[in-house]
Formats: sequence, C-alpha cells, structure tokens
Amino acid sequence: DAKTTQPNSMESNEEEPVHLPCNHSTISGTDYIHWYRQLPSQGPEYVIHGLTSNVNNRMASLAIAEDRKSSTLILHRATLRDAAVYYCILRGYNQGGKLIFGQGTELSVKP
Amino acid sequence: NAGVMQNPRHLVRRRGQEARLRCSPMKGHSHVYWYRQLPEEGLKFMVYLQKENIIDESGMPKERFSAEFPKEGPSILRIQQVVRGDSAAYFCASSPNPGTANTGELFFGEGSRLTVL
Repeated sequence: DAKTTQPNSMESNEEEPVHLPCNHSTISGTDYIHWYRQLPSQGPEYVIHGLTSNVNNRMASLAIAEDRKSSTLILHRATLRDAAVYYCILRGYNQGGKLIFGQGTELSVKP
Repeated sequence: NAGVMQNPRHLVRRRGQEARLRCSPMKGHSHVYWYRQLPEEGLKFMVYLQKENIIDESGMPKERFSAEFPKEGPSILRIQQVVRGDSAAYFCASSPNPGTANTGELFFGEGSRLTVL
C-alpha cells in the first residue's frame, strides 16, 4: 500500500494560514492525493484531492510538488472549527473507497 | 438530503453479547464501506458492500464479524460474542458509485461507538 508521512501535530493561530505537509515518495503515476479531516467525535470529512496540478476549493488549497513526492494542504485562514486530525491519503485510480488512513496530523488552533 | 445515518451512536455490551450496528447511506448511494477506529489508532478499512453483495472484505476479522447490505433497508455490521478488544468507533461511508480516485469523496457517518464491558 502506498504510504504517506505526516507530522504528528501542528499548531496554528486563529485567522492565520496553515500549511500541512505530506510526504509520499513512493507515489505511483496513477495515485491521486486525497485529504480528509476528522473533527473530534465525528466521522472523517473530505477536504480536497488532486493528481498533478494545484487545486482550490471552498475549504482549502492543495499544492502538489512537481515530482509529486510531496504535497501541502493549505488552510488560508484557520478558524477554531478547523482543529482536527488531517489525513493525507494516496488513492489508486481504481481503488474505490478502500482508503488507507495513516496517523494524520493533529492540528490545534489557538484563539 | 440527509447524510449517512448511523445508529446507535453509542452501544454498550457485555462480553459474549452481540452488537448490531446500522448504516443508512445517503440517498442514491448504493456503495457502503465500514471502517473501524480503535482507541488512539487510525481508521482501518473493514468491508465494502454493494446492494446484496460483499465486494471486498479483506479488512474484516476472520471470526465473529459479518456485514450485509440487503436490497431493502440499512447495511448492518454484526459482531457476535463481543470481547473487550472490539471496543471502538465504527464508521460507515457511502458513495454513489465504486469511485475512481478522480470522482471524489466518500461521505462518512458520525460513527457508532461500541463499549464492551
């Protein structure tokens, strides 16, 4: 299974940008990079995904390195509600919904 | 459009009893996935079902665990003769199709938290 590496925890101040890194040096050409987050006592929630190009949506931006061996999830203005565990997941093109979750990065946001 | 509904949200069982966890997928979704999150651990895939079919059960423990997704009604994860090690949060997710990696997200429920005394 394709593996990702993330820092165990990060801290941010409210209303500041947050950059959450993910290393995936063994990524294959058909793997997409997906991000989910899990708020306390809730189920995971989809955040964003991409293949090669940077992606933006209403929740976040995803910056993908040119060699695709790393990526960064960017929250442009952190809010207290963004405190969660963020998971970076590689998903093969025909993998369907069998996601391999790592330990993720626990993001805390200080007011 | 209601999200993925799981019940019960909390379930307490004594060792040796049976636990039944239910999952109603989002409207229009015919693909259901069950995940387990043990205390202080990450989420682990258990099983993938379509209506009336088990597609992938590679993450299911070999004994005591079973899952079904009947033609009518919710998907059910059944754990027989529960042991303390089964205490965990069980999450259900659904999608409208098998999903290639480019067709986006799984929708997760809020989970069922099983405590075995």
